[in-house]
Amino acid sequence: RKEVEQDPGPFNVPEGATVAFNCTYSNSASQSFFWYRQDCRKEPKLLMSVYSSGNEDGRFTAQLNRASQYISLLIRDSKLSDSATYLCVVPGGGYNKLIFGAGTRLAVHP
Amino acid sequence: EPEVTQTPSHQVTQMGQEVILRCVPISNHLYFYWYRQILGQKVEFLVSFYNNEISEKSEIFDDQFSVERPDGSNFTLKIRSTKLEDSAMYFCASSARTVGTDTQYFGPGTRLTVL
Repeated sequence: RKEVEQDPGPFNVPEGATVAFNCTYSNSASQSFFWYRQDCRKEPKLLMSVYSSGNEDGRFTAQLNRASQYISLLIRDSKLSDSATYLCVVPGGGYNKLIFGAGTRLAVHP
Repeated sequence: EPEVTQTPSHQVTQMGQEVILRCVPISNHLYFYWYRQILGQKVEFLVSFYNNEISEKSEIFDDQFSVERPDGSNFTLKIRSTKLEDSAMYFCASSARTVGTDTQYFGPGTRLTVL
């Protein structure tokens, strides 16, 4: 299993739709997880941190399933501005680095 | 809001030349990182740096690469003899505490093009 694995997409959804992304990770000892957002040719920006079973911030909900080693990100009421690549990120062993998934591309259309 | 800055935004160099990429981390941060992203690929870890020494480095970070914190504010990545495959976006990041306990903030990146 890859360290962090994501469906590359793209997910093409209309404005207002609800969309969910999944991510699986290999290190069962991981305690914290992150979703970053990356716009084309820009730096990754932290969207949400997940330290326990889940986290919610407005239209965004992240859930963690430790038994199955997967994390999900749910976006409700999609906006055009949500179009980006969503990166699932896990700390590496030793907590000296972040391990990035390849990202899931989201395109929201009018 | 404090931010990580990087210079230059774009660097073009000839194969075999040395390049130095510069970063100014957030001022009260103690942990510094370099990542790279080849076009169309995922973000990859290169090196982490704490207390004036390398904490961890990846297989990519071979003898051609080095990092330095020459003064209290700058953090640099040097590539001694660039190769075509070094062409990528290089991101600097910093955090106040270790990964997993604190957010890593990324700079806007330096796009390196090796001809």
